[in-house]
Amino acid sequence: DGGITQSPKYLFRKEGQNVTLSCEQNLNHDAMYWYRQDPGQGLRLIYYSQIVNDFQKGDIAEGYSVSREKKESFPLTVTSAQKNPTAFYLCASIPDGPRGNQPQHFGDGTRLSIL
Amino acid sequence: AQSVAQPEDQVNVAEGNPLTVKCTYSVSGNPYLFWYVQYPNRGLQFLLKYITGDNLVKGSYGFEAEFNKSQTSFHLKKPSALVSDSALYFCAVRGYGSSNTGKLIFGQGTTLQVKP
Repeated sequence: DGGITQSPKYLFRKEGQNVTLSCEQNLNHDAMYWYRQDPGQGLRLIYYSQIVNDFQKGDIAEGYSVSREKKESFPLTVTSAQKNPTAFYLCASIPDGPRGNQPQHFGDGTRLSIL
Repeated sequence: AQSVAQPEDQVNVAEGNPLTVKCTYSVSGNPYLFWYVQYPNRGLQFLLKYITGDNLVKGSYGFEAEFNKSQTSFHLKKPSALVSDSALYFCAVRGYGSSNTGKLIFGQGTTLQVKP
């Protein structure tokens, strides 16, 4: 079955440490997205990529970085500059281009906590 | 700017009763509207969408939603609630036309609690 795999499911970060969250999809989707979920705030967009080797900042990109070297993979790095990284991180993709109307497919998330 | 509002943090309903989860939106142009459900420590699952056409949209697990352009609302409904429907529900809007990058704007979510 095709889908989006996020790993690890739980991740702990020490002060001053960068950590990388993995997102892999075998759906052959071009566009991929990273969201941050905090209680009572819904989902907020961190970064998105519509094609390989290209990505755009979302609404809360500060303290985060991404890469898109392969179509299947869109890893998110939470840097030490992100002072409040504790959250649930969700990766998503869509099967159509910018002018489409298809729903996003989501992975099962990574929960990041501070040690 | 596009925005989505879910005015209720929590909705409580007895099993077997009808349920409604409210959503209003603000967009320029025609919206693409979505409902998702989330169970604890899981990703979001797509329930249904409105693109165009019939204002009553049917989706997964017996859910439906009514699009009302004049009230800019897209309320989620189900005629008979199940305990297993208890979860967090999100309404979302996707941009239309040249401004459509595929990204979704989400409401803050509504927790649905169905009691036996």
